[in-house]
Amino acid sequence: QVQLQESGPGLVKPSETLSLTCTVSGGSISGYYWSWIRQPPGKGLEWIGYIYHSGSTNYNPSLKSRVTISVDTPKNQFSLKLTSVTAADTAVFYCARVRAVAEPFDQWGQGTLVTVSS
Amino acid sequence: SYELTQPPSVSVSPGQTARITCSGDTLPKHYAYWYQQKPGQAPVLVIYKDTERLSGIPERFSGSSSGTTVTLTISGVQAEDEADYYCQSADSSGTYVFGTGTKVTVL
Repeated sequence: QVQLQESGPGLVKPSETLSLTCTVSGGSISGYYWSWIRQPPGKGLEWIGYIYHSGSTNYNPSLKSRVTISVDTPKNQFSLKLTSVTAADTAVFYCARVRAVAEPFDQWGQGTLVTVSS
Repeated sequence: SYELTQPPSVSVSPGQTARITCSGDTLPKHYAYWYQQKPGQAPVLVIYKDTERLSGIPERFSGSSSGTTVTLTISGVQAEDEADYYCQSADSSGTYVFGTGTKVTVL
C-alpha cells in the first residue's frame, strides 16, 4: 500500500514562498499523477494542481500564477511552491495520488498545517 | 471554472437515511466522486464514477446520478458516519473541482 507524507515549514511569513515536499513510499512515483490539495481551517477542499511523473503539470486557474509543482523521480518525491503568500493561504496541505487524468484522488497523505503569519 | 454545490448540512437520526446532493452543470458529462472526511483526518474516497462503491466501504453507502445532480445516500446511518462529505469532479482537461462540502450530523 503506497503511503504519502508531507513535509515542510509549518510557519511562513507573508509575501514569502511556501515550500512543501511529499515523499511517496511503498510504491513508485512513475506511472501516476501526483497532486496537491489544500483546506483552510474550518473550510472546504481546494485542488491546487498535479504533476505527472514525466514532469507535465496542470494547475488550478485561480492559483496558476503563484504555483509550481515539480517532481524528483529518483527520490520518489514531488514538491509544491506557492509564492507571495498571505494569511488567506493558511491551510492544511495534502498531497494525493491520481491514477489518470480526471480520475479521483485514491491515496492521500495525512496533511500538514501551514500558517502564514509574521 | 465550474462549481459544485452541496447543502451545508444534513441531520439524520441513527438508522434513518441521509441523502447528500451535489449539483453542477458539468455533471452530465463528467463523473462525480465522493469523499468522507472525519475531523483531523484526510479525506477517504467512498464512491467513484457516480455509483461505484470502493472495496471496503460499507454497503449502506451508495451513489446515484440524474442530470446535473449526483446524490450520495447513506442508508441506515450509524454514529460513525458523522463526518464531512465532499463531491468532486474533473473536466476532460484535468481541471479538478470539489463541492462545497456537507456536514452530516447523526442526532
